[in-house]
Amino acid sequence: AQSVTQPDIHITVSEGASLELRCNYSYGATPYLFWYVQSPGQGLQLLLKYFSGDTLVQGIKGFEAEFKRSQSSFNLRKPSVHWSDAAEYFCAVGAKNRGSTLGRLYFGRGTQLTVWP
Amino acid sequence: DAMVIQNPRYQVTQFGKPVTLSCSQTLNHNVMYWYQQKSSQAPKLLFHYYDKDFNNEADTPDNFQSRRPNTSFCFLDIRSPGLGDAAMYLCATSIRDRAQYFGPGTRLLVL
Repeated sequence: AQSVTQPDIHITVSEGASLELRCNYSYGATPYLFWYVQSPGQGLQLLLKYFSGDTLVQGIKGFEAEFKRSQSSFNLRKPSVHWSDAAEYFCAVGAKNRGSTLGRLYFGRGTQLTVWP
Repeated sequence: DAMVIQNPRYQVTQFGKPVTLSCSQTLNHNVMYWYQQKSSQAPKLLFHYYDKDFNNEADTPDNFQSRRPNTSFCFLDIRSPGLGDAAMYLCATSIRDRAQYFGPGTRLLVL
């Protein structure tokens, strides 16, 4: 069965520091992978996605993620965090075109990011 | 700009009083989804429409229903809201199995 693990519930970093949010997945084939960000009281915004090809994916707001098949990981990184990056981050695996599971997203539990000034 | 719009942003209803949440999209995506998100939890898929085909999740309560009268609009009907239904309701759209784009959500409060 498909599943996503985000082992860190809460991470605190100082502004300007580098950031890495971990994501591991379980899926029967090469998955579609996503990172979303959610600010309080808002919907989810797509940061980046991986479907195929280059395993290092660039996203919006200076974020990037690397797909590592051998480790079943899709960690999110940013070299220098800004105070406005404080939010909740969700990693998700997307089901490919297979009947009733079409397009379904399997979400991790989320990682809450706090940024110290 | 192409987008997903949800109305209202905040909805207060009384216990047992039917409520309808609205979602519209200008992206012309063929798939629309409804999620329920409770505090500090990941979104939970309730159902989705692939074009006109309705797909209900096995654990979605019968209290929740949906309508999609056309490509652009989708509604979530809660027939008899209970206190446990208070949550953020998120609408999302996609083209087939590609990336989902979310609306801002509707916060539902049940009194």
